[in-house]
Amino acid sequence: DAKTTQPTSMDCAEGRAANLPCNHSTISGNEYVYWYRQIHSQGPQYIIHGLKNNETNEMASLIITEDRKSSTLILPHATLRDTAVYYCIVRVGNTGNQFYFGTGTSLTVIP
Amino acid sequence: NAGVTQTPKFRVLKTGQSMTLLCAQDMNHEYMYWYRQDPGMGLRLIHYSVGEGTTAKGEVPDGYNVSRLKKQNFLLGLESAAPSQTSVYFCASSPGLAVLAKNIQYFGAGTRLSVL
Repeated sequence: DAKTTQPTSMDCAEGRAANLPCNHSTISGNEYVYWYRQIHSQGPQYIIHGLKNNETNEMASLIITEDRKSSTLILPHATLRDTAVYYCIVRVGNTGNQFYFGTGTSLTVIP
Repeated sequence: NAGVTQTPKFRVLKTGQSMTLLCAQDMNHEYMYWYRQDPGMGLRLIHYSVGEGTTAKGEVPDGYNVSRLKKQNFLLGLESAAPSQTSVYFCASSPGLAVLAKNIQYFGAGTRLSVL
């Protein structure tokens, strides 16, 4: 089952793009990459997910390398409200869609 | 649409006491999950359910029991609480593998439990 490696913390200037990397070198061919974030101690919030192709939605973009061993979450114009812990997750297990959260990246957006 | 609702929001227990945490979802999701989160750590899966009447162990199941008697509810029980179970508990639900490409987990606001 694939697990992920993320930097412990990152800073980003307000209004600039925030690029959050994630390594998942043991990912299987049918496992999706999901990104969630957790603001303060609230419940995690879904951001985006993908399998092979790059994905974009109203919140962010997800860039997955061709070999699928790493990905990058891009917040195009970071705001102070984007300060949170960001988790990169791959699906664990063959049933139940279990998630392994890890410790994530603590992103601080600086005014 | 309430989504995932957890009750209670806060609770203080004494060592040895028992309690049940309730999770309710109104999205007709097949799968439900219980996680715990300790300070400075990510979420760890306790138990999960892939359908009414079914449960399975996650990463840290010891000291907890669960039941899924109704599709919309998933109960987490502590039979004899210990200080090591002081944590924030999150419940989540997801549609199920039938819609794997969009099997997103939706989380509740959490229950903060202290065991003295």
